[in-house]
Amino acid sequence: GAVVSQHPSWVICKSGTSVKIECRSLDFQATTMFWYRQFPKQSLMLMATSNEGSKATYEQGVEKDKFLINHASLTLSTLTVTSAHPEDSSFYICRVTGPLNTEAFFGQGTRLTVV
Amino acid sequence: QKEVEQNSGPLSVPEGAIASLNCTYSDRGSQSFFWYRQYSGKSPELIMFIYSNGDKEDGRFTAQLNKASQYVSLLIRDSQPSDSATYLCAAFLSNFGNEKLTFGTGTRLTIIP
Repeated sequence: GAVVSQHPSWVICKSGTSVKIECRSLDFQATTMFWYRQFPKQSLMLMATSNEGSKATYEQGVEKDKFLINHASLTLSTLTVTSAHPEDSSFYICRVTGPLNTEAFFGQGTRLTVV
Repeated sequence: QKEVEQNSGPLSVPEGAIASLNCTYSDRGSQSFFWYRQYSGKSPELIMFIYSNGDKEDGRFTAQLNKASQYVSLLIRDSQPSDSATYLCAAFLSNFGNEKLTFGTGTRLTIIP
């Protein structure tokens, strides 16, 4: 069964609105979750590292005020795309490292389309 | 230099043949390596991971790791049309509580019936 659950799987929103994406670890507690973005025919690019109980760590070039990350509990991290624009349209994927630290589990991904 | 490099393809292989996917990485500290399969519009799904030099077999899949050459490969035997997808190689580095999973750009594989 799924180890990581991500919702919604797809969303269409109007330009200027905000969208929240949830990532839940189902089988184990995850102090750290990771958020990636993937544009068509490109690889996954790490956006930020979400830490339970503390501020997220953002990769260079990723606007922290635009992509708000909240790691509310050991099993839930949310990514909110604020004031979305068409260029934010992408595939957003969360990832959790397994308890043995040798595996990486992905959520199902969220296809965001901003119109 | 990219940290994880893959040939983007497309790689076309006849059904039933062996598909060979290659990956090189630059960070010698990388500890584990993953192969993911990604269908269009879907999230990556883990096929195999390997952390010891040599071969690791799982069904039709064999991962090969050569740390001295910083080289990882994935062999798919008896290729099926359902194996047509993009294959992502990833290298995992864990250092003093910080971890980094770096992906290659992926190789697009097409199995020809």
